[in-house]
Amino acid sequence: EVQLVESGGGLVQPGGSLRLSCAASGFTFSSYWMHWVRQAPGKGLVWVSRINSDGSSTNYADSVKGRFTISRDNAKNTLYLQINSLRAEETAVYYCARGVSPAWFDPWGQGTLVTVSS
Amino acid sequence: QTVVTQEPSFSVSPGGTVTLTCGLSSGSVSTSYYPSWYQQTPGQAPRTLIYSTNARSSGVPDRFSGSILGNKAALTITGAQADDESDYYCVLYMSSGIWVFGGGTKLTVL
Repeated sequence: EVQLVESGGGLVQPGGSLRLSCAASGFTFSSYWMHWVRQAPGKGLVWVSRINSDGSSTNYADSVKGRFTISRDNAKNTLYLQINSLRAEETAVYYCARGVSPAWFDPWGQGTLVTVSS
Repeated sequence: QTVVTQEPSFSVSPGGTVTLTCGLSSGSVSTSYYPSWYQQTPGQAPRTLIYSTNARSSGVPDRFSGSILGNKAALTITGAQADDESDYYCVLYMSSGIWVFGGGTKLTVL
């Protein structure tokens, strides 16, 4: 069974940092692009970032560029998102999702909640 | 900045047909944007319904279909059921290498 499990969320102060992880299983992780998508409480989905299969290429939403870094460890079947300089409005559930060619997401993990508050 | 537009809410009667749309603030949606659609119920992760405009994801009932209608991508639910009451999101792939979600449509079945 294809499975994605996020971890690393929690309470962080404004301006703080956090590293999210997404453990993948049930498929050849190193063959797929991966994405992060977030959802603020009661709000819609927002695409955050993607990384290609070998980690050599990344893209970011303008709102997070320069503060977030997506990476992966194919030996550990794990995707990461380093988030820095967090803002209160970035309180959200952060989902990882497998990228399926040409341009869709499936499956999605259950998400990890990041709360930015003092 | 590109904005992807969706109806904020829609209502359909049980057994009825509803079409949700996904547009662009500027320009037309085409298959080149690889529109895909996701269903989400409260507290759950999104579920893939449609990808590459009109391909149904594995296990998705055939009452869900995708298309391009005019200048928008569209998701049509034929024979709506009570458990179709959910939030529906479209997402478009931009040539700049990023994806943009629409704001979502809250579908009520009553």
